[in-house]
Amino acid sequence: NAGVMQNPRHLVRRRGQEARLRCSPMKGHSHVYWYRQLPEEGLKFMVYLQKENIIDESGMPKERFSAEFPKEGPSILRIQQVVRGDSAAYFCASSPPSGTGYEQYFGPGTRLTVT
Amino acid sequence: DQQVKQNSPSLSVQEGRISILNCDYTNSMFDYFLWYKKYPAEGPTFLISISSIKDKNEDGRFTVFLNKSAKHLSLHIVPSQPGDSAVYFCAASPNSGGSNYKLTFGKGTLLTVNP
Repeated sequence: NAGVMQNPRHLVRRRGQEARLRCSPMKGHSHVYWYRQLPEEGLKFMVYLQKENIIDESGMPKERFSAEFPKEGPSILRIQQVVRGDSAAYFCASSPPSGTGYEQYFGPGTRLTVT
Repeated sequence: DQQVKQNSPSLSVQEGRISILNCDYTNSMFDYFLWYKKYPAEGPTFLISISSIKDKNEDGRFTVFLNKSAKHLSLHIVPSQPGDSAVYFCAASPNSGGSNYKLTFGKGTLLTVNP
């Protein structure tokens, strides 16, 4: 049973480019969460999605960031016009539909570097 | 405003001895707490958790203690093994109000267990 998969594992973008981070949840999981970890910080909640729905995006920066979880395919975290401050590790987690919510399984993360 | 604090960035112990990792929180709405372990280049993996209705939860070599009045919890690992060397994150969940998925993490403590 494959775990949460994220790709790419490492992504380098120049300032002003777009970054697309992908997350495939564990089999049978329909809830996806994105977290960001800045250097020397803990993970910070960004957004919670279910299939085709954004449930809570209270942790997302107001501009340039968007997330989706389509009916088919992985969840995508999209960052437009990246800036140096976006350099961080982005972790995706998933949970089963009947779970407690805090029972989250994390992927290995995508390390975004903005040059 | 850091709601979950891990004040020790690092801890070094000898193999076979006890490791004690500490965590403090400020938000009274938190009532479920989790410890995650993270190896380099991997995502956090769930280790152990505790509900606020308990003051202790034990799983093998790992025990978590919760002092709700002091808003403090600790993770005890005994005996410590070199394979336990990792970053340990404390996380908290508001297990009510429908947002229990929104985990708040501390900055982590790097545990090194020396052979």
